[in-house]
Amino acid sequence: DQQVKQNSPSLSVQEGRISILNCDYTNSMFDYFLWYKKYPAEGPTFLISISSIKDKNEDGRFTVFLNKSAKHLSLHIVPSQPGDSAVYFCAASAINQGAQKLVFGQGTRLTINP
Amino acid sequence: GAGVSQSPSNKVTEKGKDVELRCDPISGHTALYWYRQSLGQGLEFLIYFQGNSAPDKSGLPSDRFSAERTGGSVSTLTIQRTQQEDSAVYLCASSQDLLGIYGYTFGSGTRLTVV
Repeated sequence: DQQVKQNSPSLSVQEGRISILNCDYTNSMFDYFLWYKKYPAEGPTFLISISSIKDKNEDGRFTVFLNKSAKHLSLHIVPSQPGDSAVYFCAASAINQGAQKLVFGQGTRLTINP
Repeated sequence: GAGVSQSPSNKVTEKGKDVELRCDPISGHTALYWYRQSLGQGLEFLIYFQGNSAPDKSGLPSDRFSAERTGGSVSTLTIQRTQQEDSAVYLCASSQDLLGIYGYTFGSGTRLTVV
């Protein structure tokens, strides 16, 4: 049962344009969402997060949007840079229910073309 | 230490052999997690520790998998009688307390190949 889904295995974007990565979830108990970025041969690194009490969180070039009714979140990167090329994982947790683990999506490989 | 350290970084083993993977969390981090990533898959939860106890072992795939943590620090994940489907990158993560708003800090992983 895939509770967190990233339906696009890969995405290719021109440098300077906007990258939009999508994530859907099925568990309505999830109340905290995170995005991680992973380079080859490295562990995932935390990028940005959002609580279910918000619908948007921004940090520099990165913005995460949450649509609770649609159980959908997206990560926007603008402008995209070559160093953004990596695999991006969406993750969710039911923190307010005492959950202590993150449930991850399958990842989307983002390639930024010069 | 400065980050989460995992060893070995790569391990090739023959089917049927036992392997032990080690994780050194960030000093002072009380929570420790094991995940694995199989080829083309997302991160699959295996087990987490709060201190030395493991309240949630629900992700361990079979009784061939076990993990322990000693002194609230180093953890080892042991896979007995390895099978080819055990081939994956095994990732360890730690957090300062139970899951916080910044999630976890991950190590670089151990790539296990069972031949």
